[in-house]
Amino acid sequence: DSGVTQTPKHLITATGQRVTLRCSPRSGDLSVYWYQQSLDQGLQFLIQYYNGEERAKGNILERFSAQQFPDLHSELNLSSLELGDSALYFCASSAPPTTDTQYFGPGTRLTVL
Amino acid sequence: GENVEQHPSTLSVQEGDSAVIKCTYSDSASNYFPWYKQELGKGPQLIIDIRSNVGEKKDQRIAVTLNKTAKHFSLHITETQPEDSAVYFCAASIQTGANNLFFGTGTRLTVIP
Repeated sequence: DSGVTQTPKHLITATGQRVTLRCSPRSGDLSVYWYQQSLDQGLQFLIQYYNGEERAKGNILERFSAQQFPDLHSELNLSSLELGDSALYFCASSAPPTTDTQYFGPGTRLTVL
Repeated sequence: GENVEQHPSTLSVQEGDSAVIKCTYSDSASNYFPWYKQELGKGPQLIIDIRSNVGEKKDQRIAVTLNKTAKHFSLHITETQPEDSAVYFCAASIQTGANNLFFGTGTRLTVIP
C-alpha cells in the first residue's frame, strides 16, 4: 500500500458526460501528479500540482482540468467524455524537496460507453 | 520532450534465471531513472531508482545500471521467482521542479515455475 488513495475505483459513464476523480496524497506529500494509462498510449503525464498551485502540464486535453485543495487532495475533472477517454487514471504523490520519488495510487478505471 | 524506449515488450524466463530489461532515453538533461512494477489491477509500484551521479545501484535481487554517455539504463533481476511476474516500466525525468515522469512502454515479464 503506497498511502495514496483514489476514488472511485471504477467509473462507467456515457459519452458527453462529466466525471470527477479524486486523489488523496500520502501524508505530508505536497505534490500530486495525474497520469493516464491506455493500451495505445501507455502511461502519460497529464498535470502536476504542488501545494495548491499548478506546476507542470503534459498532454492534457482542454476538456480535462484539475485542482488541488488546501487539504492537499486533488480532483481531476473530465468533461464532454469520448470513447477514447476510457483508460486507467493514476494519481501519484511526492514530497519535494526532501524526495522526488513518486508513489502511485491504485487508479480509477474509467469506461465511457 | 523526453522519449523513453523500452525493450523487450515481453520476456519469459525460467524460475531462478536472470531477467534483463533495457531502456534508452533521448534528453541528456534527464537525471532521475525509476523502475516500476505493475501487477494486474494495481498501480505502479516503485522497485528501484537511480540518479545520474551513480552508475549502478543494487537492492537484494534487483539492480539497475546507468550509462549516461550512451543514454541507456537497464534493470537486472536475478534468481527470478514466480511473484516477479508483472509488467515493468522504466521512466526518466528531469529533477528541476517539474518532475513528471516519462515512461517506457512496459515489459511483461513471465517467470515460469
